[in-house]
Amino acid sequence: AQKITQTQPGMFVQEKEAVTLDCTYDTSDPSYGLFWYKQPSSGEMIFLIYQGSYDQQNATEGRYSLNFQKARKSANLVISASQLGDSAMYFCAMREVGFNKFYFGSGTKLNVKP
Amino acid sequence: DAGVIQSPRHEVTEMGQEVTLRCKPISGHNSLFWYRQTMMRGLELLIYFNNNVPIDDSGMPEDRFSAKMPNASFSTLKIQPSEPRDSAVYFCASSFWDSTSYEQYFGPGTRLTVT
Repeated sequence: AQKITQTQPGMFVQEKEAVTLDCTYDTSDPSYGLFWYKQPSSGEMIFLIYQGSYDQQNATEGRYSLNFQKARKSANLVISASQLGDSAMYFCAMREVGFNKFYFGSGTKLNVKP
Repeated sequence: DAGVIQSPRHEVTEMGQEVTLRCKPISGHNSLFWYRQTMMRGLELLIYFNNNVPIDDSGMPEDRFSAKMPNASFSTLKIQPSEPRDSAVYFCASSFWDSTSYEQYFGPGTRLTVT
C-alpha cells in the first residue's frame, strides 16, 4: 500500500487566492511526522512545514498551514494568498520514528496564474 | 552554516563508464539518504544510513548500484557500469534521527546524463 498519496497531479490557482493541496498517509506507527516540501523549477527541495502526530494544533508557517485530520489520515497543505513564486512541485512526506524512513508522495504541480 | 554538499553538480558520461557521486551531510546529522528523481518514476529512495550503517537498500535498482558511508561526513553512490536509463537527478539528504520532528535537508542534486 502507498504510504503517501497525493491525488492531484496538477493544479491551477489564481494569484492571491488560497489553494489546498491534498495528502493522505498510511501508517500503523503511533509516532510519525508529516512534512511538505516545495521543488521549484530550479530543482532544489525546500522544506516548508512540519506536523507531528501528537501535535494538537495545526502547524502554520507564514502563508503555509497544514490541515491535519488524524482520524482521516490526511495532511493537506493550504497556501494562502498565492503568489507567482509559489508555482512549483509540492511533495508531501511522512517519517515514522520506528524506521526513521521518509516516504514521499508523487507530488502536485501547482501553477499560479496572474 | 553549510548545507548538504553534493558533487559533481552535473555529470555526463558514456554508457559503461563508472560514475561516483559524492555527498557531505550537514555536520551533526546522523542519517543520510540517497534519492533518485526522474519524470517517469518521481522521487525514489535508493538507500539510507543511520549512524553510517546502511539500514534499507531495497530501493537500489540492481547490483550496478552501490553506496558507502565510511564516516559521518562523507558518502558515495557508485554506478558501475552506467546505462542510459540511469540518467536522473540524484539527491542526497541528511537528517537528525531522534524524533519525528527533524526534517530532511536536501543537497542541490547531481544531474547525471548517461549517453
